[in-house]
Amino acid sequence: DTQVTQSPSSLSASVGDSVTITCRASRMVYRYLHWYRQKPGRSPELLIYGTSNLQSGVSSRFSGSGSGTDFTLTITSLQPEDFATYYCQQSYIVPYTFGPGTKLQIK
Amino acid sequence: QVQLVESGGGVVQPGRSLRLSCAASGFTFSSYGMHWVRQAPGKGLEWVAIISYDGSNKYYADSVKGRFTISRDNSKNVLYLHMNSLRTEDTAVYFCARLMIQGVFDYWGQGTLVTVSS
Repeated sequence: DTQVTQSPSSLSASVGDSVTITCRASRMVYRYLHWYRQKPGRSPELLIYGTSNLQSGVSSRFSGSGSGTDFTLTITSLQPEDFATYYCQQSYIVPYTFGPGTKLQIK
Repeated sequence: QVQLVESGGGVVQPGRSLRLSCAASGFTFSSYGMHWVRQAPGKGLEWVAIISYDGSNKYYADSVKGRFTISRDNSKNVLYLHMNSLRTEDTAVYFCARLMIQGVFDYWGQGTLVTVSS
């Protein structure tokens, strides 16, 4: 199976800050890497697909980059609703796998 | 608007069976592949299974292979997950999700909680 890791596992920041989360796959997944945000008690929501494509309706404060095995999610000008857990996911090969999550907390 | 509504969760003893349903609306269900994803309490997301738009192709996570079966009824716009030989480690919130391009989950249901306990 393709293992997916994320760093950091948790992160503290303030409203207005910018943060970057990293995702690494154990094998080449090309651009089949996607990012989700999950607020407490809610289902996940798609932010970025195909490494860098912004999902319709998602704020342009979110951006993604990378290729191959290393990817990043950047969030600028943090808003209160951004304090949540973020997951990356590869869909290059079944079984699809998620990273363990990065919890973004208010400093 | 796209809506996915799961049902069928509950408390079940180890070794027993349960069937989850996901009612879809707001899109042409028969044109989309669908997934099940689960999340154990306080843990991360785990992909469970995928079914193609017409039901002809199915894939499973190793952790559920041989015990769970994904199916769909395109005439009723419903996705199913049949779960047999349940284990305590199957305790989780189960989400259904729509398959977008590139294997992405673009819409998710609110989830249904399955608790396996004696």
